[in-house]
Amino acid sequence: EAQVTQNPRYLITVTGKKLTVTCSQNMNHEYMSWYRQDPGLGLRQIYYSMNVEVTDKGDVPEGYKVSRKEKRNFPLILESPSPNQTSLYFCASSLQGVVSSNQPQHFGDGTRLSIL
Amino acid sequence: AQKVTQAQTEISVVEKEDVTLDCVYETRDTTYYLFWYKQPPSGELVFLIRRNSFDEQNEISGRYSWNFQKSTSSFNFTITASQVVDSAVYFCALVAGNNRKLIWGLGTSLAVNP
Repeated sequence: EAQVTQNPRYLITVTGKKLTVTCSQNMNHEYMSWYRQDPGLGLRQIYYSMNVEVTDKGDVPEGYKVSRKEKRNFPLILESPSPNQTSLYFCASSLQGVVSSNQPQHFGDGTRLSIL
Repeated sequence: AQKVTQAQTEISVVEKEDVTLDCVYETRDTTYYLFWYKQPPSGELVFLIRRNSFDEQNEISGRYSWNFQKSTSSFNFTITASQVVDSAVYFCALVAGNNRKLIWGLGTSLAVNP
């Protein structure tokens, strides 16, 4: 089954304690992306990756890091989490870029992070 | 500038009513794509439809239909005979030109009451 898998689904942690949210896709997609969703602000892109070893900042990259060492994985790293990073996070992938022939962007089920 | 506006923040209907969710977009590019996604209470994002700027044909999928009108820069979504399971937040989104990211509307929260 084609899917984007995020882990963990829920996490409560404390300020300053490094954490990683993993994202893996099994569709051999080149493009992957991270979003955060906040009430009243909608979905905002954090980082994206067009292919292995190629990553770029989105709209709200501050406080986050990503890596793309393998095609299937695109982890999101919070080196020193702060309360303003409490949010619902989504990983997404698509074949080539955001729009590709007949392939929409597939989303993971989301990760709800609470930073105390 | 590229922008997506979903003017309806919340809509509440009674089951079996028809409901239309509005989406107005802004872009200067002639090539663009429009999307609708559904986010049910469980939180995941579900792809519903993609439409490119060169295809103004309206689309129907079961109880769902979409009306794309370039003249008014709108891509409205209608649910016919709504059901409680349609209760969700619905997002409209845009990708235009060489932009590599989705521009999202803020979503419309639809509540379908029994």
